[in-house]
Amino acid sequence: GQNIDQPTEMTATEGAIVQINCTYQTSGFNGLFWYQQHAGEAPTFLSYNVLDGLEEKGRFSSFLSRSKGYSYLLLKELQMKDSASYLCAVRDSNYQLIWGAGTKLIIKP
Amino acid sequence: IAGITQAPTSQILAAGRRMTLRCTQDMRHNAMYWYRQDLGLGLRLIHYSNTAGTTGKGEVPDGYSVSRANTDDFPLTLASAVPSQTSVYFCASSAAGAADTQYFGPGTRLTVL
Repeated sequence: GQNIDQPTEMTATEGAIVQINCTYQTSGFNGLFWYQQHAGEAPTFLSYNVLDGLEEKGRFSSFLSRSKGYSYLLLKELQMKDSASYLCAVRDSNYQLIWGAGTKLIIKP
Repeated sequence: IAGITQAPTSQILAAGRRMTLRCTQDMRHNAMYWYRQDLGLGLRLIHYSNTAGTTGKGEVPDGYSVSRANTDDFPLTLASAVPSQTSVYFCASSAAGAADTQYFGPGTRLTVL
């Protein structure tokens, strides 16, 4: 079966750095997405990786290793507004998105 | 304002009733999707449409139907609601089909009693 694993919950301090990991086992791979979802709101697109390596976008970076079936989202200079759930999703061989259950990130002052 | 709208925002429904969730996008995206999101689970695809006039089944299609008469609208119908269909429903769209980034509507919170 297809599976996306990410931690259920993480806690970090304002101003710090946090890394959210995602491992996947899917039938084929056509890219990996990270989305942010604030409580009660819709998911919003953060990043997309299809080749190995690091993609940097402001305070957020996303890394992919296809051989290891692994990705992480790195958030720097954490702000209170970064408190949200972070969803990892992989596009499989049928070009359907397979979603992880999300990681709830709690930021403490 | 460009984007995706969904209606209603929330609804409480008696079991056995018929319900249609509405989704409209004004971005001229070809592909549209319906997901349900339940606590502790990832988003699950119910139905999708790669272009107007075509639809396909996702991971959890039973009890749901869709239509895509035009580019902008993609309604989801529950023919006879059951309590297990209590969930948050998100509509999404993408420009170039499944190979493109998906953008989400604000969601509909549905409770079936």
